[in-house]
Amino acid sequence: NAGVTQTPKFRVLKTGQSMTLLCAQDMNHEYMYWYRQDPGMGLRLIHYSVGEGTTAKGEVPDGYNVSRLKKQNFLLGLESAAPSQTSVYFCASSYVGDPNEQFFGPGTRLTVL
Amino acid sequence: GIQVEQSPPDLILQEGANSTLRCNFSDSVNNLQWFHQNPWGQLINLFYIPSGTKQNGRLSATTVATERYSLLYISSSQTTDSGVYFCAVGLYNTDKLIFGTGTRLQVFP
Repeated sequence: NAGVTQTPKFRVLKTGQSMTLLCAQDMNHEYMYWYRQDPGMGLRLIHYSVGEGTTAKGEVPDGYNVSRLKKQNFLLGLESAAPSQTSVYFCASSYVGDPNEQFFGPGTRLTVL
Repeated sequence: GIQVEQSPPDLILQEGANSTLRCNFSDSVNNLQWFHQNPWGQLINLFYIPSGTKQNGRLSATTVATERYSLLYISSSQTTDSGVYFCAVGLYNTDKLIFGTGTRLQVFP
């Protein structure tokens, strides 16, 4: 099992550009999450999904959109990137029987110039 | 909302020393996880521990839910233990984790 994987690992964008981050999990988990981690801080929840076709807002959703078209994939989109979105983005997944036990991907380091 | 505080914020140890990291939370929680973020940024699950004590090798954790704290013990520390340790709590009737601010550990040979 690969667990939770994220693509790409690194990306540099210019202000105003758009991009999509891909998260994939092979554990058949129902729940998936996107977090951001800023320097010296813990993780903050952006959006999450409790199943295919569903999404919900987390703590810091502004400027991001998500989609969960397939159970194993969770996409995070930035329509018009801003320097404030420079961060490390983590995806996580969990089993519906215990959604609070989450397993994390390796992260994507995004820089917006 | 709930506050999750970790102490100390920074810890410097020599290899072989023991340490205790603390996580305090301001409200009742459904469960608690400890993570290690290594110097390469990877988040590693250490313990899923809503209550009681668990051990895994040189690491152990204890959560006293009624008193709203959890402790992570590292014995005979090694340089590979360096990184940031986070606790994260899950609230009742939610699907979300709330992360603490972390303890940065540096272990020197």
